[in-house]
Amino acid sequence: GESVGLHLPTLSVQEGDNSIINCAYSNSASDYFIWYKQESGKGPQFIIDIRSNMDKRQGQRVTVLLNKTVKHLSLQIAATQPGDSAVYFCAEKRPNDYKLSFGAGTTVTVRA
Amino acid sequence: NAGVTQTPKFQVLKTGQSMTLQCAQDMNHEYMSWYRQDPGMGLRLIHYSVGAGITDQGEVPNGYNVSRSTTEDFPLRLLSAAPSQTSVYFCASSYRDLLKETQYFGPGTRLLVL
Repeated sequence: GESVGLHLPTLSVQEGDNSIINCAYSNSASDYFIWYKQESGKGPQFIIDIRSNMDKRQGQRVTVLLNKTVKHLSLQIAATQPGDSAVYFCAEKRPNDYKLSFGAGTTVTVRA
Repeated sequence: NAGVTQTPKFQVLKTGQSMTLQCAQDMNHEYMSWYRQDPGMGLRLIHYSVGAGITDQGEVPNGYNVSRSTTEDFPLRLLSAAPSQTSVYFCASSYRDLLKETQYFGPGTRLLVL
C-alpha cells in the first residue's frame, strides 16, 4: 500500500493497493472528526466519522485512526478502486459546537 | 428524501449584480450552513443557522447575507457581487443533536462573477 506520513495534496495509488490519507487537525479540544469524499463536480459525501473517545473505527473498506497525542487523523482505504478517485477532506468539530473546520484536502488518483 | 438541494447549479453574474442562492432540506434538520470552496483552500464557513429565526456569521461572512424563516430553507444572498466571490458554494445541514451531528451537503452552486 501507499501512505503519506505528512499531509500531501495529492496521492497516486495503484488499483488494488491500500491507501492511507493523513490529516493534521488544529484544535486539541475537538471531539468529533469526519472524513468526506468529494468527486469532481459534486458535493462532499460523508464517509466515516469518529469521536475523540475512540482511536479507531472501521467501515466498509475504510478505517479511520485518531491519534490525539499528535493531533493526527488518518483514513485507510483497503483495495483501492477506480471509483475511489476523488478529493478527501477531514473535518473537526469542537465540543458543544456544530461548526466544522475543514482541512485543505488530498486528491487521490487511482492508477489502473 | 431529496436530502439537501441547491439551485441554481451554475450562475454567471456581472460585478454589482445581486442574487440569491437557494438551499432546501427535507430531513427536518435544525442546523444549516453555507460554505464556499476555492481551489486549494478547502471549505470555508460563510454563515450558519441553528434553527429557524437564528443565524450567525462564520469564517468569511463579508458580502453575504442569510435568513432562516423556515426549518427547510436557508437562502444565501449576494447584495453586490464581486469577482472575489467567484467560487463554488455548498449548503449543508444536520440535526441539532451533538450525538447526530453529521453534516450532509448539497450538490453545490458554481458562481462566476465577471
